[in-house]
Amino acid sequence: AQSVTQLDSHVSVSEGTPVLLRCNYSSSYSPSLFWYVQHPNKGLQLLLKYTSAATLVKGINGFEAEFKKSETSFHLTKPSAHMSDAAEYFCVVSDWSNDYKLSFGAGTTVTVRA
Amino acid sequence: GAGVSQTPSNKVTEKGKYVELRCDPISGHTALYWYRQSLGQGPEFLIYFQGTGAADDSGLPNDRFFAVRPEGSVSTLKIQRTERGDSAVYLCASSPARGTDTQYFGPGTRLTVL
Repeated sequence: AQSVTQLDSHVSVSEGTPVLLRCNYSSSYSPSLFWYVQHPNKGLQLLLKYTSAATLVKGINGFEAEFKKSETSFHLTKPSAHMSDAAEYFCVVSDWSNDYKLSFGAGTTVTVRA
Repeated sequence: GAGVSQTPSNKVTEKGKYVELRCDPISGHTALYWYRQSLGQGPEFLIYFQGTGAADDSGLPNDRFFAVRPEGSVSTLKIQRTERGDSAVYLCASSPARGTDTQYFGPGTRLTVL
């Protein structure tokens, strides 16, 4: 079975400061890991994806995430937050054993203070 | 190109009624997934189609829920005798082929059962 735990339900940052969203995963096989973002009343948008290539993954809008197998973590970072980054963020895991069904974390709500 | 589309965007119904939710995947995508997102939670898997057949319906909560994809493209999620607990956002996603784990999501249908 696969699962993810997002360690923070809510993160608040000031505009221009770094953002860190923490995610731990569990998978019996080599996982694929994703971060999706969901703006209010909008669909899910893929930020970035890890699939056993480079452990540091760069995504859209300046986000990146690092896969650390020894820590079973896949934390999302951005050096400088923008007001438009205010949204819900989901860490997601999948693997071939479940036909690539996605298992979502509970989500982290990011608020950005001016 | 066109992304995944879902209709209606919002559906309000009364307890006990029947509803149908439609998903149009990205053209050429053979894999189609349905997820349900309850308020304040991450999406949860409902059912997965590969082509016309339901490859995995293990996430459907009970036999009031049913989904079809008769021609391997458009899919319809059907809910009989709706209950207030069915209120949620229903998300559809498609991916290019079996074994491809990047899923592209539609905007969702917000179902409210009064």
